[in-house]
This record gives sequence, C-alpha cells and structure tokens, in this order.
Amino acid sequence: QLQLQESGPGLVKPSETLSLTCTVSGGSISYSIYYWGWIRQPPGKGLEWIGTIFHSGSTYYNSSLKSRVTMSVDTSRNQFSLKLRSVTAADTALYYCASIYSDTGGYYDYWGQGTLVTVSS
Amino acid sequence: DIQMTQSPSSLSASVGDRVTITCRASQNISNYLNWYQQKPGKAPKLLIYAASSLQSEVPSRFSGSGSATDFTLTISSLQPEDVATYYCQQSYSMLCTFGQGTKLEIK
Repeated sequence: QLQLQESGPGLVKPSETLSLTCTVSGGSISYSIYYWGWIRQPPGKGLEWIGTIFHSGSTYYNSSLKSRVTMSVDTSRNQFSLKLRSVTAADTALYYCASIYSDTGGYYDYWGQGTLVTVSS
Repeated sequence: DIQMTQSPSSLSASVGDRVTITCRASQNISNYLNWYQQKPGKAPKLLIYAASSLQSEVPSRFSGSGSATDFTLTISSLQPEDVATYYCQQSYSMLCTFGQGTKLEIK
C-alpha cells in the first residue's frame, strides 16, 4: 500500500515561488501502472487539479495554472515536486499529492494528508 | 477542457433514505468517471471508479452508474457516517477535472 507525504513551507510571500515535495513510500515511483498528481483545495472550496507527472517526467498541467507551474520527479529519492511561481492570496490552499492508478482510465487511489500553504506577507 | 457539473450542490436527507447525486460531463467521457468522498479535515477517499466499480472496502450501499455524459452516485440507505462532500472526477482527458462537490448532511 502506497503512502504519500507532502512537505514544504506553510507560508509563502506574495510574488514568490511555492515549492512542495511529495515523498512516496510503500512502492516505487517508477511503477509503470502509476502516475502522480497534485490537487489543491482553497479553504471552504472544492478540489482543483493542478497537474500530473509520469515517472518519465512527462507532464500535464491545468490550463489556468500552466504558465506558473512546474512539476518534476526524482526517482532516486522516490519523490515528485511542485513549483508554483508568482503566487497571490488566491493560491492559499490545502495542497494534496496523490497517486493515480492508470488502469481503467486512471483514478486517485492514495492521497497524502495535505499541507496548508498560506500566501501572505 | 471538460467541465463536470454536479447536482445538487447540497443535500439533506434522513438516515435510511436513498440518496442520489448526479454528475454531468460537458462531452462524452465514456465510463471514465470516478467518485470521491471527503469528510471534514480529511483527504478525499475513492469510492467508485470507472463509473460503476466499487473500490475495495467501500460499503456496498454505495453504487455508481451512467455513461457518456450522465452519471449517478447512489447511497441505498444513508448512514450517519456518510455525512461528507462528494466529488466526481473525469479521467477521460489527461487534463483532469472535478465536479464542484455535493455536500451531504443528515436531517
């Protein structure tokens, strides 16, 4: 059973870059049946997909965030990461990393506990 | 991008009631539709994948149906522990999208 854990600063200043890492345990990030994603949830609001990354490094990003997002994978550390540039208060959210099981179309089967990132000076 | 629209946005029902939540896609997504349950302060939990397949260890009172653009999540007999927000998610496109959520409460 996979376990995922987000890590990174809980407070980021406006216009700076939000950086988060997700550490995967209980399995290899290079499993071909899995790929990896970031989802966020502003306080009191719904889920917003940020992006998806394959262990090969291929990525897909939300159209509304694409110009500011970069995701990467480090197979040697069994981690994948998120960078979101030029943040504003609207980027304040609970950020989740999750595994995507690629069979039958792909679904998020394991999630991290989430990490709250607040954008404030 | 594919838009996912859930209805209702909120719902109040009694213990033992049959509850139905619907999700509509802006285009044909075949059966690439998943349902999640999110309880307050917790990460979402997968309930149903591929429109109608029950995830392991999910109670059998949960079921999913539908195809193409219209999908349904049904709870056959509502239990107090089912209080949560429910989300649909399409996996037809690599550009994933979630519905806006349906908040379920007990009367």
